[in-house]
Amino acid sequence: GQQVMQIPQYQHVQEGEDFTTYCNSSTTLSNIQWYKQRPGGHPVFLIQLVKSGEVKKQKRLTFQFGEAKKNSSLHITATQTTDVGTYFCAGTAPPNDYKLSFGAGTTVTVRA
Amino acid sequence: NAGVTQTPKFQVLKTGQSMTLQCAQDMNHNSMYWYRQDPGMGLRLIYYSASEGTTDKGEVPNGYNVSRLNKREFSLRLESAAPSQTSVYFCASSEDPAGTYEQYFGPGTRLTVT
Repeated sequence: GQQVMQIPQYQHVQEGEDFTTYCNSSTTLSNIQWYKQRPGGHPVFLIQLVKSGEVKKQKRLTFQFGEAKKNSSLHITATQTTDVGTYFCAGTAPPNDYKLSFGAGTTVTVRA
Repeated sequence: NAGVTQTPKFQVLKTGQSMTLQCAQDMNHNSMYWYRQDPGMGLRLIYYSASEGTTDKGEVPNGYNVSRLNKREFSLRLESAAPSQTSVYFCASSEDPAGTYEQYFGPGTRLTVT
């Protein structure tokens, strides 16, 4: 079945530094979504990518969808303490385009 | 507009006990989902309901049953709780079953089975 894998599992970042988290699928995805979960909270939708090679930006966050639609990345610049949390990617693939498969997440901590 | 609500927030059960987790959404969404979250494993789909009157198994349905009571409510039942079902349970909803719609999550139920 479809599997979505994320690396790294943990990311410890100095405040002000940049980092990237990666998402890889064993199958071609129809789309990919990214969610953020703050400690003790629930996942909150960040963005969706649909097109091959698509790049979207939200302030300091840059999301990319690979050309083959099998991988995605989230790059955060100038990390702030508000970026603490776990970032999940989740994708759908035919024939189950109605079911999101979530990666295990990247948990980000920030050193002030 | 409360979004997705879940009750209870916390629950402790003994092995073999049963309970029902309640979920309701006020966004007029067609699709609803139940996930469990365990450390290091992300969110795993237990059951989903693409539309009112339909339910389907997800990735980890064993030991659970669901009921889509109406368009707003989707409940998850544990008939005979086991320690392996200790987890955080999230309910979610989306406008349509297609994965192109974002999912809105409830606050979660933290369940411990002893």
